[in-house]
Amino acid sequence: AQTVTQSQPEMSVQEAETVTLSCTYDTSESDYYLFWYKQPPSRQMILVIRQEAYKQQNATENRFSVNFQKAAKSFSLKISDSQLGDAAMYFCAGGRGGADGLTFGKGTHLIIQP
Amino acid sequence: GAVVSQHPSWVICKSGTSVKIECRSLDFQATTMFWYRQFPKQSLMLMATSNEGSKATYEQGVEKDKFLINHASLTLSTLTVTSAHPEDSSFYICSAGPGTLYEQYFGPGTRLTVT
Repeated sequence: AQTVTQSQPEMSVQEAETVTLSCTYDTSESDYYLFWYKQPPSRQMILVIRQEAYKQQNATENRFSVNFQKAAKSFSLKISDSQLGDAAMYFCAGGRGGADGLTFGKGTHLIIQP
Repeated sequence: GAVVSQHPSWVICKSGTSVKIECRSLDFQATTMFWYRQFPKQSLMLMATSNEGSKATYEQGVEKDKFLINHASLTLSTLTVTSAHPEDSSFYICSAGPGTLYEQYFGPGTRLTVT
């Protein structure tokens, strides 16, 4: 069984500052893929960043980066220079890829204070 | 990323009737499509996985006779909620894949309200 855990129901950060969202996962699979998705009020799921669990190098996409700790099965998302448009629900998800669906965490509601 | 559409975006139906939701991949051929359910202020839960031309695989606890899934082509999957009841009211999201690095491309979702 695969589990994905997000322990922060809500996070608040001042505009332009940095915030880190936590995620841990548990799987016995060696080939595993991890994702952070953003869900704004429109409810459209938007891919923020992805990481192959067999790679140690942390993924980076502009202001978004991950801190992937394979031994600890931790996959946190760091958002630098937070912007008002970053306000949304953020879901951590994992899966074996291919024909397997994703397992999602419960989500973190990110609030950006102007 | 690839574009996935869903139709309708919002549907209201009476209890006991059936409703069909379509999921289309517009610019790529999706060998696999997934259906998720999201209750208000909750996460996405995988309901079923469908592969083109074969029967869908349902997650534990999902009634396959109630949620009929058809994946007749590489660009279209449908979810039919049969004999809908108010407890079936939810947000249904489809996704298509696999994409680059096994990414899934999500549709905009369908809000189902059963009265």
